[in-house]
Amino acid sequence: AQKVTQAQTEISVVEKEDVTLDCVYETRDTTYYLFWYKQPPSGELVFLIRRNSFDEQNEISGRYSWNFQKSTSSFNFTITASQVVDSAVYFCALSEETSGSRLTFGEGTQLTVNP
Amino acid sequence: NAGVTQTPKFQVLKTGQSMTLQCAQDMNHEYMSWYRQDPGMGLRLIHYSVGAGITDQGEVPNGYNVSRSTTEDFPLRLLSAAPSQTSVYFCASSGPSRGTYGYTFGSGTRLTVV
Repeated sequence: AQKVTQAQTEISVVEKEDVTLDCVYETRDTTYYLFWYKQPPSGELVFLIRRNSFDEQNEISGRYSWNFQKSTSSFNFTITASQVVDSAVYFCALSEETSGSRLTFGEGTQLTVNP
Repeated sequence: NAGVTQTPKFQVLKTGQSMTLQCAQDMNHEYMSWYRQDPGMGLRLIHYSVGAGITDQGEVPNGYNVSRSTTEDFPLRLLSAAPSQTSVYFCASSGPSRGTYGYTFGSGTRLTVV
């Protein structure tokens, strides 16, 4: 069974601080996909990144970076020099290759960036 | 180029009423699914489909029915609405390889059952 744990329910930082959102997953499949989504106060789900299990390269996109480590089953997300507009709920999610279209979400981390 | 379209955006139902939440995608995605989002609980899978004519139950299927007669449409039916079904509902679609951009989500339907 697939499972995603986001242990940080809420994080509050001051603008320009760096912040890391943790994500730990469980799966028995060797092929799987990991995702991060952002949900701003307006409510829509915004895709941030997709990573498959064979691609352990870390990724950087502007102020965002992701650290994927299969050895610890973690897929952590770092925002560098946070901004007020980064305030949102962030979800980590997992889809196993054999699970069809099932996508399992973590419970989300509410990030608040204060000016 | 609409992506995933959900209708309606808002709905208020009385307990016991039935209704259908509509979901349509124009990306020729094989995979479609429905989720509900309750405060503090993330998104939970209700039903999913890997292609036309194929559906399966997710984590919280009770009180909901689905069908997939076409690739494009995946409606979610509430048989007899209950206050516990008050939630925000999201529909999503993707290809088998989950695509470069992962799952595409609709904008959501906010349902209140009174």
